[in-house]
Amino acid sequence: QSVLTQPPSVSGAPGQRVTISCTGSSSNIGAGYDVHWYQQLPGTAPKLLIYGNSNRPSGVPDRFSGSKSGTSASLAITGLQAEDEADYYCQSYDSSLSGSLVFGGGTKLTVL
Amino acid sequence: EVQLVESGGGLVQPGGSLRLSCAASGFTFSSYEMNWVRQAPGKGLEWVSYISSSGSTIYYADSVKGRFTISRDNAKNSLYLQMNSLRAEDTAVYYCARVPSSSWSIISNYFDYWGQGTLVTVSS
Repeated sequence: QSVLTQPPSVSGAPGQRVTISCTGSSSNIGAGYDVHWYQQLPGTAPKLLIYGNSNRPSGVPDRFSGSKSGTSASLAITGLQAEDEADYYCQSYDSSLSGSLVFGGGTKLTVL
Repeated sequence: EVQLVESGGGLVQPGGSLRLSCAASGFTFSSYEMNWVRQAPGKGLEWVSYISSSGSTIYYADSVKGRFTISRDNAKNSLYLQMNSLRAEDTAVYYCARVPSSSWSIISNYFDYWGQGTLVTVSS
């Protein structure tokens, strides 16, 4: 059971917009700690997608955006492309565990 | 170009030990905080351990506390994870991951570069 809760799967057709939620609590996202997002293509290491809730590293397309409100965060992907099919993970810090970084359980995005 | 290359994984029996290494290049290793993150087969990511740039501050996940030891050798541009009393549930791909220089403490940690991972299998 992950500290941060993500839907196991989402899907969308090419060109559509999808969102992936990341729900936490008052000891992590709700406490104001930043949320970060990673994309993991099959058989590869994770790649940083969004940091500090809504910032994109250089090279990440602006089709990817992040937001945070209350105890939740969201990753939105617009103009869905076949190469976006991957696992997506949110990550934050949790103050209820001593010095603990926490990940969501991951969401498998399927492009129909 | 930033590169992180893990090594040292393999098959080990329950109760055994293993030492993982992560060789860093392409950046000033001694200036960056580092972490180990693992991923069990078919499962999600799990944070394992953090070490500050100087090595003076260390944190562990509860699941490995008392069994794993993180360390670094800044002169050798290397990060290590000594794993003792290994259990079946420690079976995973272990990644070393760099924290960007803008992070000011573990609270703001995220990972801008990851290695390719090394597989640790704990089985009799």
